Amino acid sequence: GESVGLHLPTLSVQEGDNSIINCAYSNSASDYFIWYKQESGKGPQFIIDIRSNMDKRQGQRVTVLLNKTVKHLSLQIAATQPGDSAVYFCAENTRPYGNNRLAFGKGNQVVVIP
Amino acid sequence: DVKVTQSSRYLVKRTGEKVFLECVQDMDHENMFWYRQDPGLGLRLIYFSYDVKMKEKGDIPEGYSVSREKKERFSLILESASTNQTSMYLCASDTDRDRNRGQPAYNEQFFGPGTRLTVL
Repeated sequence: GESVGLHLPTLSVQEGDNSIINCAYSNSASDYFIWYKQESGKGPQFIIDIRSNMDKRQGQRVTVLLNKTVKHLSLQIAATQPGDSAVYFCAENTRPYGNNRLAFGKGNQVVVIP
Repeated sequence: DVKVTQSSRYLVKRTGEKVFLECVQDMDHENMFWYRQDPGLGLRLIYFSYDVKMKEKGDIPEGYSVSREKKERFSLILESASTNQTSMYLCASDTDRDRNRGQPAYNEQFFGPGTRLTVL
């Protein structure tokens, strides 16, 4: 079947190097952001989230940076591994005081070269 | 282990058929969502439901309907399938349980594995 990764910006990274994936969001009122990872043939999986009162949050091998001034979000993956090959989506909660509504970016394909 | 399951991974239907896609979550979540995912377009919200028997249109509801008779189950219905409904369909759920009145909610959505529907 056709991959979700077609037509997406692609980042090729050498195994062991660090990866940086960028995302621009649209709504200045959004106050919660999530990064998802989607492997081929699977549904998106939560990686890490950040609230708008923070500008940096770290997880295991991943760091999310938030720049509200320019409405920009980035995901850094340290020491990239073959299992990190996937499509990565950012999402913003566009209705923080209403029923949850996430708006998703189109995604970035990451290809790890062994 | 929390789970969102979808009734089929792959489905092939003919134009004009009525199609049911089923989604079940075991997390007692209030909110459930149906998205379709197409290359170059990302995830687009079709419908969502924030309570049993409640539903709200998403961004692309045309040609679809939904049913939420029980809290754990959310069904997407294609009344008369067309070829432009060939897509990957993703179900998701989340909760508002941690949200106090007047406070924003900070909740990830949990996704199912997806159903790849082909309409011939």
